[in-house]
Amino acid sequence: SQQGEEDPQALSIQEGENATMNCSYKTSINNLQWYRQNSGRGLVHLILIRSNEREKHSGRLRVTLDTSKKSSSLLITASRAADTASYFCATDAWNSGNTPLVFGKGTRLSVIA
Amino acid sequence: NAGVTQTPKFRVLKTGQSMTLLCAQDMNHEYMYWYRQDPGMGLRLIHYSVGEGTTAKGEVPDGYNVSRLKKQNFLLGLESAAPSQTSVYFCASRDTGGNYGYTFGSGTRLTVV
Repeated sequence: SQQGEEDPQALSIQEGENATMNCSYKTSINNLQWYRQNSGRGLVHLILIRSNEREKHSGRLRVTLDTSKKSSSLLITASRAADTASYFCATDAWNSGNTPLVFGKGTRLSVIA
Repeated sequence: NAGVTQTPKFRVLKTGQSMTLLCAQDMNHEYMYWYRQDPGMGLRLIHYSVGEGTTAKGEVPDGYNVSRLKKQNFLLGLESAAPSQTSVYFCASRDTGGNYGYTFGSGTRLTVV
């Protein structure tokens, strides 16, 4: 069963707008990661935020983590048509050593030029 | 280019046939994973390996077997394919330590008729 659940399932915005995707998870975690998947391709790692961090930036990406609410958000600023993809959050269980990541079902983002 | 290579990229099998999917990585990663991706289901873990000669079951292991005889290769076998195994299969790897993202292959699209 999925640990993370993304919201919304699908999002359509105009180029230049900001896109926000949310992820909720169920159990305590070591870290939370976000991945992008272009149609027909493999997933690409975007950013990792540790359980003791609250916010992290990478270029146009901003990730927040609220462990008390067991939720995270991914913000893409000034979106471009090339950002059109599915975005997945993934988590690993707290103090579990090296257990594999559990992925959510993803948010499909469409950026219209 | 360094990364994860999956072969084949596409395959059509008849029910009851067997096949092996090959995953090869040239990054000297210890950990390797097999996921399947189905519409609306996200990624689900089939099997994984934390080092040469080791394998472990994931969320959906039934109907699959794996082997990790060499560190760089992780094989996924279907002994008797079923239509329910129609899916896109992704292999991923990562280095040791808990704070590294996964590197994914480009996937194998398998159809069982």
